[in-house]
Amino acid sequence: DTGVSQNPRHKITKRGQNVTFRCDPISEHNRLYWYRQTLGQGPEFLTYFQNEAQLEKSRLLSDRFSAERPKGSFSTLEIQRTEQGDSAMYLCASSLRGTGRYNEQFFGPGTRLTVL
Amino acid sequence: RKEVEQDPGPFNVPEGATVAFNCTYSNSASQSFFWYRQDCRKEPKLLMSVYSSGNEDGRFTAQLNRASQYISLLIRDSKLSDSATYLCVVNRRDSGYALNFGKGTSLLVTP
Repeated sequence: DTGVSQNPRHKITKRGQNVTFRCDPISEHNRLYWYRQTLGQGPEFLTYFQNEAQLEKSRLLSDRFSAERPKGSFSTLEIQRTEQGDSAMYLCASSLRGTGRYNEQFFGPGTRLTVL
Repeated sequence: RKEVEQDPGPFNVPEGATVAFNCTYSNSASQSFFWYRQDCRKEPKLLMSVYSSGNEDGRFTAQLNRASQYISLLIRDSKLSDSATYLCVVNRRDSGYALNFGKGTSLLVTP
């Protein structure tokens, strides 16, 4: 499978626990994005990497959230001290620099987080 | 006010019907425009990019009006398999490459 992969697909945790999600982008894609989607809403941008550099962070990304892409390949998103409001689908996407201005992003299947 | 506004629907149409979705965006710096399709509990998938001159892909036609900051998607000869949520998406020039999504418009095509 050459698409974007995410693990785990589902995560149930208790409030206050830390969770970490992983995203593996399409292999030749150097741009990687994290989005969050809640029920009835479109995805909302969280952060963006070009290679290993984190170039943009949304105001949605509170201090409890941290993302890394240490070798410019896979990325992790960690949420510390989870809250019930963190329950959402966390989507990862990737794109290839040099595809012109259209910036087509390809999404992974997402990690569904439930905080009890 | 959200940057991308869509009528959430739902749009219920019979097979074979033509249906149109509209979308407006508020940031004139927006640079790229897309329609994504999302099936229930699945990830969004790119349906088509929207070019300034308008573009067509089979039964799907997308139009962009930069002056009015308006994007449309027309689906002709609807199929049952077209039932999904259609997300209007714009990319702001001043935000790097983050995509801004509308809430989506729900389409149900019935037999």
